[in-house]
Amino acid sequence: NAGVMQNPRHLVRRRGQEARLRCSPMKGHSHVYWYRQLPEEGLKFMVYLQKENIIDESGMPKERFSAEFPKEGPSILRIQQVVRGDSAAYFCASSPQGMEDTQYFGPGTRLTVL
Amino acid sequence: AQRVTQPEKLLSVFKGAPVELKCNYSYSGSPELFWYVQYSRQRLQLLLRHISRESIKGFTADLNKGETSFHLKKPFAQEEDSAMYYCALRTGGGSNYKLTFGKGTLLTVNP
Repeated sequence: NAGVMQNPRHLVRRRGQEARLRCSPMKGHSHVYWYRQLPEEGLKFMVYLQKENIIDESGMPKERFSAEFPKEGPSILRIQQVVRGDSAAYFCASSPQGMEDTQYFGPGTRLTVL
Repeated sequence: AQRVTQPEKLLSVFKGAPVELKCNYSYSGSPELFWYVQYSRQRLQLLLRHISRESIKGFTADLNKGETSFHLKKPFAQEEDSAMYYCALRTGGGSNYKLTFGKGTLLTVNP
């Protein structure tokens, strides 16, 4: 099992562009979490998804941010019209059904907005 | 409001010395706490959870509800313990294990 995969590892965007961050959970894992880490800060919860369902998006900014976890394929975190304040490391974590208390983290995507 | 506080940004000890990484929390519900660790150039990984009452790599952590603390301890630090340590509080319900993290403590164990 290769572990949670995230790509790209580094993403550079200009203000106003769109950023798409991908997360492939571990095989058999049906729960996906996205977290954001600003410099010098801890990880902040953004959204919790199960296959085809958003369960908790209480940490997502109201505008420009969206997430999905389709039946097939990776989970996607999409940021439209990026601004400099979106520059951060974005981490994805997954957990299996029945062992939800253990989250396996991906290596993160570092987004830089110029 | 839920909050996790790790008061020490940096902690430096010598090999063989005891180490304690502090964590305090604020939460109105029944707390579930975790310690995560990130070694250099590796991804964040679970170290231990209070509910298991386990010892991993010589580390232990006891939940003290009176002091709202979950400090991580090890009696004899090793150089390979050098890493970033994050305390985390579960703030979701049911199958939702969303976590609130502290800002982390960078532990350096000197030879």
